[in-house]
Amino acid sequence: GAGVSQSPSNKVTEKGKDVELRCDPISGHTALYWYRQSLGQGLEFLIYFQGNSAPDKSGLPSDRFSAERTGGSVSTLTIQRTQQEDSAVYLCASSLARGPDSDNEQFFGPGTRLTVL
Amino acid sequence: AQSVTQPDIHITVSEGASLELRCNYSYGATPYLFWYVQSPGQGLQLLLKYFSGDTLVQGIKGFEAEFKRSQSSFNLRKPSVHWSDAAEYFCAVGPYNFNKFYFGSGTKLNVKP
Repeated sequence: GAGVSQSPSNKVTEKGKDVELRCDPISGHTALYWYRQSLGQGLEFLIYFQGNSAPDKSGLPSDRFSAERTGGSVSTLTIQRTQQEDSAVYLCASSLARGPDSDNEQFFGPGTRLTVL
Repeated sequence: AQSVTQPDIHITVSEGASLELRCNYSYGATPYLFWYVQSPGQGLQLLLKYFSGDTLVQGIKGFEAEFKRSQSSFNLRKPSVHWSDAAEYFCAVGPYNFNKFYFGSGTKLNVKP
């Protein structure tokens, strides 16, 4: 079956514009994560969705960042009024369940490279 | 504070040589530990994970890692490196309910012929 897909693969935008990044998780995966990977840095957790529970937004760096997950499947990460420091690769991952007693491997998408000019 | 430290930014080894990539973590609860590999142009792939039990875990591609609670470490090893192992490796720690993961900054591995 298909893996996690993300679109667009590359996005170049001007400072101050809004952008939307899309993630299609693996069908049936209830958990979905967004991460940011800046140049030379590790992955920075942004937000976590699990089923119908309220998302864990504790990693969002500012109120310009928001995310939603419609119908428990596709997720969109929105960055408003983009800044140059938002330039990074945004990665999405999904997993089947949570907790060590379950099949919980995160499967990562290829990422969206965002460049803010 | 929760964090993962990978002290080596770049490592170069000769093909056929042994490899050890270091990972130290700071975590306030029982850690669940992971190693991922990111090859150029590829997404992250899980190499192995540790939840409990035997502190030496085996993963894919001939990798293994040892959990040492006293040292807060989870170092990745491979007895004989292949050229195809050249990639970036990330260590990560997460909680029981996997609602948030902390990743290290990565170690880039170069393999000399």
